[in-house]
Amino acid sequence: DAGVTQSPTHLIKTRGQQVTLRCSPKSGHDTVSWYQQALGQGPQFIFQYYEEEERQRGNFPDRFSGHQFPNYSSELNVNALLLGDSALYLCASSLKGEQPQHFGDGTRLSIL
Amino acid sequence: AQSVTQPDIHITVSEGASLELRCNYSYGATPYLFWYVQSPGQGLQLLLKYFSGDTLVQGIKGFEAEFKRSQSSFNLRKPSVHWSDAAEYFCAVGGNSGNTPLVFGKGTRLSVIA
Repeated sequence: DAGVTQSPTHLIKTRGQQVTLRCSPKSGHDTVSWYQQALGQGPQFIFQYYEEEERQRGNFPDRFSGHQFPNYSSELNVNALLLGDSALYLCASSLKGEQPQHFGDGTRLSIL
Repeated sequence: AQSVTQPDIHITVSEGASLELRCNYSYGATPYLFWYVQSPGQGLQLLLKYFSGDTLVQGIKGFEAEFKRSQSSFNLRKPSVHWSDAAEYFCAVGGNSGNTPLVFGKGTRLSVIA
């Protein structure tokens, strides 16, 4: 039973660039949430996708956008990267948004 | 506003000693409470959850947690710590509706010494 998978594992970008992170949910799950975890902090909610629509959003600027595909996989896009965007980006999946959520190992994004 | 406070940033315990990690929450509705563990370079693994019912919940790896509504607390305990328990521990609160995101504390780093 495959868990939540994220790609790539690590990524290095420079300021102003754009990045796309990918997530495949746990088998049988249809809801994907994205979290940002800065160094030394707990994860912070970015947004959640269900039925290919953004269902809820945290306190993040419009530079952060996402998409969910018919197979329930999801992408997180970040435009105009800032140094402060350096973080571990975690994807979590669940069934119909119900708890508990299952997390992937994350993508480590470094901005130079 | 929802929030989670983990008062201890870093705790060091000896192998074989007991452990208690503190968690206090603020939530406007019936909370769902969670403890997750994160090893270096890894994602979050769910240790245990409380939804309702018995306030003492058992989790994986020998961990347990007790929900105390009057104190808004959900402390994590383990009777005897193993060196492999060294990691970052996060307490989180969420709602019981379908689209309520998790709110996490800042985490407690656990070090285990021989």
